[in-house]
Amino acid sequence: DVEMTQSPSSLSAFVGDRVTITCQASQDISNLVNWYQQKPGKAPKVLIHAASNLETGVPSRFSGRGSGTEFTFTISSLQPEDTATYYCQQYDNLPYTFGQGTQLKIK
Amino acid sequence: QVHLQESGPGLLKPSETLSLTCTVSGASIHDYFWTWIRQSPGKGLEWIAYISSSGTINYNLSLRSRVGLLIDTSKNQFSLQLESLTAADTAVYYCAGLKIGIGVGWFDPWGQGAQVTVSS
Repeated sequence: DVEMTQSPSSLSAFVGDRVTITCQASQDISNLVNWYQQKPGKAPKVLIHAASNLETGVPSRFSGRGSGTEFTFTISSLQPEDTATYYCQQYDNLPYTFGQGTQLKIK
Repeated sequence: QVHLQESGPGLLKPSETLSLTCTVSGASIHDYFWTWIRQSPGKGLEWIAYISSSGTINYNLSLRSRVGLLIDTSKNQFSLQLESLTAADTAVYYCAGLKIGIGVGWFDPWGQGAQVTVSS
């Protein structure tokens, strides 16, 4: 299975800060990574697909980049509603696998 | 707007079989592959399996021996069976749509999730 190592596991930042989360794949997965946001009691919601493509309706402060084994997810200017847990997910190989998540809080 | 709703028992005993159904509205059952994902504090998000309206199935091999999938195109429903339950199967179970293609493979939309607890 492709292991997705996500870091940090948690972080807190101020409104307006730039925040970056990284995901490292255990093997080359091209650009086949998605990023999800999950708020408490809710299902995950896809924000970015294929490493860097923003889903329709998702604010442009969210972005992603990377290929091969290293991927990053960035919020350019953190907003209060961005409090959530964020996950990466690879779809290059079955089984689909997820990172362990990054819990993001507002200071 | 596509809506998915999981239904099934929330409390089961060890060795019993879990049966969950996902009802799809706002989309045709032919529009997506349909998948089950579970989430537990210990193992995080874990993909279980997917099925298509034509009957194509793929499983997470870690669960393959205990998992069954069915799809009922006449009712716009698909279902999951998980046998020989243990406490480790306690999780929130989500059904979700899955688009598959060249460069395509993300889960959207999702159901609200069904809490399943395995306890004697």
